[in-house]
Amino acid sequence: QSALTQPASVSGSPGQSITISCTGTSSDVGSYNLVSWYQQHPGKAPKLMIYEGSKRPSGVSNRFSGSKSGTSASLGISGLQSEDEADYYCAVWDDSLKGWVFGGGTKLTVL
Amino acid sequence: EVQLVESGGDQVKPGGSLRLSCAGSGFMFSSYTMNWVRQAAGKGLEWVSSISSTGGFMFYADSVKGRFTISRDNAKNSVFLQMDSLRGADSGIYFCVRDAQLQPPEYNWFDSWGQGTLVTVSS
Repeated sequence: QSALTQPASVSGSPGQSITISCTGTSSDVGSYNLVSWYQQHPGKAPKLMIYEGSKRPSGVSNRFSGSKSGTSASLGISGLQSEDEADYYCAVWDDSLKGWVFGGGTKLTVL
Repeated sequence: EVQLVESGGDQVKPGGSLRLSCAGSGFMFSSYTMNWVRQAAGKGLEWVSSISSTGGFMFYADSVKGRFTISRDNAKNSVFLQMDSLRGADSGIYFCVRDAQLQPPEYNWFDSWGQGTLVTVSS
C-alpha cells in the first residue's frame, strides 16, 4: 500500500494559521472517496477531526477546516493553540488497492 | 458511549503467532464494519485489515495478506485478528477501529478508536 504524501512537519506560533497537505492519486484522494483527518497526541489513540473532506464531528473546534482539490486534500488550523501540537494524518479508501491508505503523518509544532 | 477494548498483545518470537481481540460496546456492533490499524514505534498509522458487518467481506493490506486473518463474532460483540508467521516489522500498537457509517469503505471514515494493544516480535 502506498502512503499518501504529507509534509513531515509544520510549525506556527500561537494565533497563527497553518495548512497541512495530503497528496494522493486519482484512485484515492482524486476519486469520489471521502478524505478524513485524524489528530494524535503522544501515547494516545487517534481522534477524528475532519470527515467527508470538510465536515467537523461534534465537539471539534471550528478552528479546524478541510478542503480538497483534484488529487490533494488539506487540513487547516486557524488561531493555533498549544493543545493543537500533535501528529496529523489523512486517510482515504483506495479503489485500486482495495484498502485504506494513510498519509505518512505531519508533526505540528506550536512555537 | 462507544467503547472498543483491545487485548491479546504480547511479546512473541519471529515466526510465532498471536490472536488479538477487540470487544465493542455502546453501539449495535453487528451493524458496523470493523478494522485493525497498527502503528510501529515512532512511525505513522498503517491500515491492516477490515471486516464487513456480517463477516462476508474481508480486506487486507499487502504487507499482511496470507499471514493475518480477521474474523468477528457478532454474538459476542467482538472482532479478532489472528496473526501468524510474525515478523519484526509487525511490531507495534494495534488499534481496533470502527467505521463511522453503514456504507461502503469509499464513503466512510473511522470515528471510534480503541486504546490499542502492543505487539512485540523479537527473539
